[in-house]
Amino acid sequence: GDSVTQMEGPVTLSEEAFLTINCTYTATGYPSLFWYVQYPGEGLQLLLKATKADDKGSNKGFEATYRKETTSFHLEKGSVQVSDSAVYFCALRSWDSSYKLIFGSGTRLLVRP
Amino acid sequence: KAGVTQTPRYLIKTRGQQVTLSCSPISGHRSVSWYQQTPGQGLQFLFEYFSETQRNKGNFPGRFSGRQFSNSRSEMNVSTLELGDSALYLCASTGTGGFTDTQYFGPGTRLTVL
Repeated sequence: GDSVTQMEGPVTLSEEAFLTINCTYTATGYPSLFWYVQYPGEGLQLLLKATKADDKGSNKGFEATYRKETTSFHLEKGSVQVSDSAVYFCALRSWDSSYKLIFGSGTRLLVRP
Repeated sequence: KAGVTQTPRYLIKTRGQQVTLSCSPISGHRSVSWYQQTPGQGLQFLFEYFSETQRNKGNFPGRFSGRQFSNSRSEMNVSTLELGDSALYLCASTGTGGFTDTQYFGPGTRLTVL
Protein backbone atom coordinates (compact mmCIF):
# COMPACT_ATOMS: atom_id res chain seq x y z
CA GLY A 1 0.00 0.00 0.00
CA ASP A 2 0.88 3.66 -0.16
CA SER A 3 3.33 5.00 2.43
CA VAL A 4 5.38 8.05 3.37
CA THR A 5 8.82 8.09 4.99
CA GLN A 6 10.25 11.15 6.68
CA MET A 7 13.62 11.82 8.21
CA GLU A 8 13.84 11.27 11.92
CA GLY A 9 13.89 14.27 14.18
CA PRO A 10 14.42 16.33 16.07
CA VAL A 11 16.18 18.72 13.76
CA THR A 12 17.88 21.54 15.66
CA LEU A 13 19.02 24.62 13.78
CA SER A 14 20.17 28.12 14.56
CA GLU A 15 18.08 31.04 13.36
CA GLU A 16 18.72 31.93 9.70
CA ALA A 17 20.08 28.46 8.90
CA PHE A 18 18.99 26.50 5.82
CA LEU A 19 16.39 23.81 6.39
CA THR A 20 15.82 20.55 4.55
CA ILE A 21 13.40 17.87 5.75
CA ASN A 22 13.48 14.77 3.58
CA CYS A 23 10.31 13.00 2.50
CA THR A 24 9.97 10.03 0.17
CA TYR A 25 6.85 8.15 -0.76
CA THR A 26 5.65 4.87 -2.17
CA ALA A 27 2.51 4.95 -4.25
CA THR A 28 1.06 3.47 -7.38
CA GLY A 29 -0.22 6.04 -9.78
CA TYR A 30 0.09 9.76 -9.23
CA PRO A 31 -0.63 10.90 -5.69
CA SER A 32 -1.07 14.45 -4.48
CA LEU A 33 1.58 15.46 -1.95
CA PHE A 34 1.25 17.75 1.04
CA TRP A 35 3.24 19.28 3.86
CA TYR A 36 1.39 20.09 7.05
CA VAL A 37 2.73 21.84 10.15
CA GLN A 38 1.58 21.37 13.72
CA TYR A 39 2.36 23.91 16.42
CA PRO A 40 2.17 22.87 20.08
CA GLY A 41 -1.39 22.30 21.23
CA GLU A 42 -2.88 22.88 17.81
CA GLY A 43 -4.25 20.93 14.85
CA LEU A 44 -2.59 20.58 11.47
CA GLN A 45 -2.16 23.50 9.12
CA LEU A 46 -1.54 23.05 5.43
CA LEU A 47 1.86 24.46 4.55
CA LEU A 48 2.00 23.64 0.84
CA LYS A 49 0.97 21.05 -1.70
CA ALA A 50 1.72 19.74 -5.19
CA THR A 51 -0.61 17.65 -7.30
CA LYS A 52 1.52 16.56 -10.23
CA ALA A 53 5.10 15.76 -11.11
CA ASP A 54 7.54 18.71 -11.23
CA ASP A 55 5.04 20.99 -9.47
CA LYS A 56 6.61 23.22 -6.83
CA GLY A 57 4.54 24.13 -3.81
CA SER A 58 5.54 27.20 -1.84
CA ASN A 59 4.29 29.20 1.13
CA LYS A 60 5.82 31.44 3.82
CA GLY A 61 9.32 30.87 2.44
CA PHE A 62 8.96 27.08 2.42
CA GLU A 63 9.23 25.15 -0.83
CA ALA A 64 8.92 21.55 -1.99
CA THR A 65 9.10 20.05 -5.48
CA TYR A 66 7.24 16.90 -6.52
CA ARG A 67 9.93 14.61 -7.94
CA LYS A 68 8.39 11.52 -9.47
CA GLU A 69 11.71 10.06 -10.63
CA THR A 70 13.02 9.97 -7.04
CA THR A 71 9.57 9.68 -5.40
CA SER A 72 10.46 12.59 -3.14
CA PHE A 73 8.93 15.80 -1.83
CA HIS A 74 11.63 17.38 0.33
CA LEU A 75 10.76 20.50 2.31
CA GLU A 76 13.22 23.42 2.20
CA LYS A 77 13.51 26.90 3.62
CA GLY A 78 16.39 29.24 3.05
CA SER A 79 16.41 30.98 6.44
CA VAL A 80 14.49 29.58 9.39
CA GLN A 81 13.10 31.62 12.26
CA VAL A 82 12.41 30.70 15.87
CA SER A 83 8.71 30.86 15.02
CA ASP A 84 9.17 27.94 12.57
CA SER A 85 9.71 25.58 15.51
CA ALA A 86 6.99 22.95 15.11
CA VAL A 87 6.36 19.41 13.88
CA TYR A 88 6.22 18.96 10.11
CA PHE A 89 4.28 16.16 8.43
CA CYS A 90 4.61 14.97 4.86
CA ALA A 91 1.49 13.31 3.48
CA LEU A 92 -0.04 11.91 0.32
CA ARG A 93 -3.50 11.26 -1.04
CA SER A 94 -4.25 9.05 -3.99
CA TRP A 95 -6.97 7.08 -5.66
CA ASP A 96 -5.27 3.91 -4.44
CA SER A 97 -5.33 5.10 -0.84
CA SER A 98 -9.07 5.79 -1.15
CA TYR A 99 -8.44 9.52 -0.89
CA LYS A 100 -7.44 9.39 2.77
CA LEU A 101 -4.32 11.22 3.86
CA ILE A 102 -1.37 8.94 4.59
CA PHE A 103 1.12 10.68 6.84
CA GLY A 104 4.77 10.30 7.57
CA SER A 105 5.83 10.05 11.20
CA GLY A 106 6.54 13.77 11.50
CA THR A 107 9.78 15.69 12.01
CA ARG A 108 10.19 18.02 14.94
CA LEU A 109 12.09 21.22 14.14
CA LEU A 110 13.63 23.32 16.89
CA VAL A 111 15.12 26.66 15.92
CA ARG A 112 17.39 28.35 18.46
CA PRO A 113 17.89 32.13 18.56
CA LYS B 1 -14.65 32.01 6.08
CA ALA B 2 -14.73 30.22 9.41
CA GLY B 3 -12.44 27.23 9.72
CA VAL B 4 -13.15 23.75 10.94
CA THR B 5 -14.42 23.72 14.51
CA GLN B 6 -14.34 20.83 16.94
CA THR B 7 -16.03 20.47 20.29
CA PRO B 8 -15.18 19.88 22.99
CA ARG B 9 -11.50 20.73 22.94
CA TYR B 10 -10.70 18.58 25.95
CA LEU B 11 -12.37 15.55 27.49
CA ILE B 12 -11.55 13.31 30.41
CA LYS B 13 -13.35 9.97 30.65
CA THR B 14 -12.90 6.72 32.48
CA ARG B 15 -12.54 3.24 31.02
CA GLY B 16 -15.79 1.71 29.88
CA GLN B 17 -17.54 5.01 29.25
CA GLN B 18 -18.49 6.28 25.84
CA VAL B 19 -17.79 9.63 24.24
CA THR B 20 -19.12 11.72 21.35
CA LEU B 21 -17.01 14.27 19.54
CA SER B 22 -18.36 16.89 17.17
CA CYS B 23 -16.96 18.54 14.06
CA SER B 24 -18.33 21.40 11.98
CA PRO B 25 -16.66 21.66 8.57
CA ILE B 26 -15.89 24.75 6.57
CA SER B 27 -19.06 26.15 5.07
CA GLY B 28 -19.77 24.48 1.73
CA HIS B 29 -17.52 21.49 2.37
CA ARG B 30 -19.26 18.14 2.07
CA SER B 31 -16.51 15.73 3.04
CA VAL B 32 -15.44 15.21 6.65
CA SER B 33 -12.61 12.90 7.71
CA TRP B 34 -11.47 11.86 11.17
CA TYR B 35 -7.95 11.00 12.29
CA GLN B 36 -6.47 9.77 15.53
CA GLN B 37 -3.07 11.11 16.61
CA THR B 38 -1.00 9.34 19.25
CA PRO B 39 2.72 9.51 20.06
CA GLY B 40 3.16 5.82 19.32
CA GLN B 41 1.09 5.35 16.17
CA GLY B 42 1.22 8.84 14.69
CA LEU B 43 -1.68 10.02 12.55
CA GLN B 44 -4.11 7.31 11.55
CA PHE B 45 -7.24 7.56 9.43
CA LEU B 46 -10.50 6.62 11.12
CA PHE B 47 -13.23 7.28 8.54
CA GLU B 48 -14.57 9.70 5.99
CA TYR B 49 -18.10 10.89 5.34
CA PHE B 50 -19.41 12.51 2.20
CA SER B 51 -22.99 13.67 1.84
CA GLU B 52 -24.06 11.71 4.94
CA THR B 53 -22.52 8.44 3.68
CA GLN B 54 -19.43 6.75 5.04
CA ARG B 55 -17.15 6.55 2.04
CA ASN B 56 -13.98 5.16 3.61
CA LYS B 57 -13.04 3.45 6.84
CA GLY B 58 -9.69 2.82 8.48
CA ASN B 59 -8.56 -0.17 10.50
CA PHE B 60 -10.19 0.58 13.82
CA PRO B 61 -12.49 -1.64 15.89
CA GLY B 62 -16.24 -1.30 15.68
CA ARG B 63 -16.22 0.69 18.95
CA PHE B 64 -15.34 3.66 16.76
CA SER B 65 -18.26 4.94 14.74
CA GLY B 66 -19.38 8.13 13.14
CA ARG B 67 -22.11 9.86 11.25
CA GLN B 68 -22.70 12.95 9.19
CA PHE B 69 -25.76 15.14 9.20
CA SER B 70 -27.48 16.89 6.31
CA ASN B 71 -25.68 20.15 7.17
CA SER B 72 -22.34 18.27 6.83
CA ARG B 73 -21.59 18.42 10.55
CA SER B 74 -20.14 15.17 11.77
CA GLU B 75 -19.90 13.28 15.02
CA MET B 76 -17.73 10.40 16.03
CA ASN B 77 -18.49 8.08 18.89
CA VAL B 78 -16.22 5.80 20.83
CA SER B 79 -17.90 3.23 23.05
CA THR B 80 -16.41 1.19 25.87
CA LEU B 81 -13.38 3.40 26.17
CA GLU B 82 -9.96 1.86 26.71
CA LEU B 83 -6.80 3.51 28.01
CA GLY B 84 -5.29 3.24 24.54
CA ASP B 85 -8.01 5.49 23.12
CA SER B 86 -6.33 8.48 24.76
CA ALA B 87 -5.34 10.63 21.80
CA LEU B 88 -5.86 13.82 19.88
CA TYR B 89 -8.79 13.35 17.52
CA LEU B 90 -8.63 15.54 14.46
CA CYS B 91 -11.36 16.33 12.03
CA ALA B 92 -10.69 17.58 8.49
CA SER B 93 -13.00 18.93 5.83
CA THR B 94 -12.67 18.97 2.06
CA GLY B 95 -14.82 20.44 -0.66
CA THR B 96 -15.56 17.37 -2.73
CA GLY B 97 -13.07 14.96 -1.27
CA GLY B 98 -11.15 14.41 -4.49
CA PHE B 99 -7.57 13.39 -3.92
CA THR B 100 -6.12 16.64 -5.24
CA ASP B 101 -8.23 18.60 -2.77
CA THR B 102 -6.77 19.96 0.43
CA GLN B 103 -8.01 18.65 3.75
CA TYR B 104 -8.36 21.47 6.26
CA PHE B 105 -8.00 20.44 9.88
CA GLY B 106 -9.66 21.60 13.04
CA PRO B 107 -7.82 22.16 16.34
CA GLY B 108 -8.66 18.68 17.57
CA THR B 109 -10.26 17.18 20.67
CA ARG B 110 -7.83 15.91 23.28
CA LEU B 111 -9.34 12.79 24.87
CA THR B 112 -7.84 11.39 28.05
CA VAL B 113 -9.06 8.02 29.31
CA LEU B 114 -8.33 7.24 32.96
